Amino acid sequence: DARVTQTPRDKVTEMGQEVTMRCQPILGHNTVFWYRQTMMQGLELLAYFRNRAPLDDSGMPKDRFSAEMPDATLATLKIQPSEPRDSAVYFCASVRTGGAFETQYFGPGTRLLVL
Amino acid sequence: AQSVTQPDIHITVSEGASLELRCNYSYGATPYLFWYVQSPGQGLQLLLKYFSGDTLVQGIKGFEAEFKRSQSSFNLRKPSVHWSDAAEYFCAVGRYSGGGADGLTFGKGTHLIIQP
Repeated sequence: DARVTQTPRDKVTEMGQEVTMRCQPILGHNTVFWYRQTMMQGLELLAYFRNRAPLDDSGMPKDRFSAEMPDATLATLKIQPSEPRDSAVYFCASVRTGGAFETQYFGPGTRLLVL
Repeated sequence: AQSVTQPDIHITVSEGASLELRCNYSYGATPYLFWYVQSPGQGLQLLLKYFSGDTLVQGIKGFEAEFKRSQSSFNLRKPSVHWSDAAEYFCAVGRYSGGGADGLTFGKGTHLIIQP
């Protein structure tokens, strides 16, 4: 049963610290998304990659957030420096884009708390 | 830009009763529509999806949804709910470019509570 994996599952850090979240997409999936879930804003798209190339990061605060995909099996989302308002659950999702109407498969999320 | 509205933040249903969760969307083209479910502390699981064809879509766990273009709606239904259906339900509209799937735009979610 192929799944998207995310690490860490939980992260507590202090304001100003760097946070790195990792995602391993399902093998063979070529598009990877990062979403953020908060009580106030709900689920928001932050950025996504296709064939490891960044396609859209307009949902991401550029000054402190960065997303990369160093290889086909790893996507990273970094926050530097972190702020309390970054506290949220960050989800990674992947899809095998061989055509239209593909299903996005979500990982379990990284729950981030910035103190 | 596309948007999704789920008018009900919370819904309480008795076990065994029928369920309908509402979803309205705004999208300039033919929408790709999805319903996901999220249990506490878990990721999102796809219940069903719609793009074209039969407007009544069957999904997993006994759920179905009906696409009504005239009403811009994609409501989720289940004839008889079980206690295990208690969760957060999200409606979403998908974007697709020539290269494939783009991001999903989600509604704010509906929290389903099941009464014994």
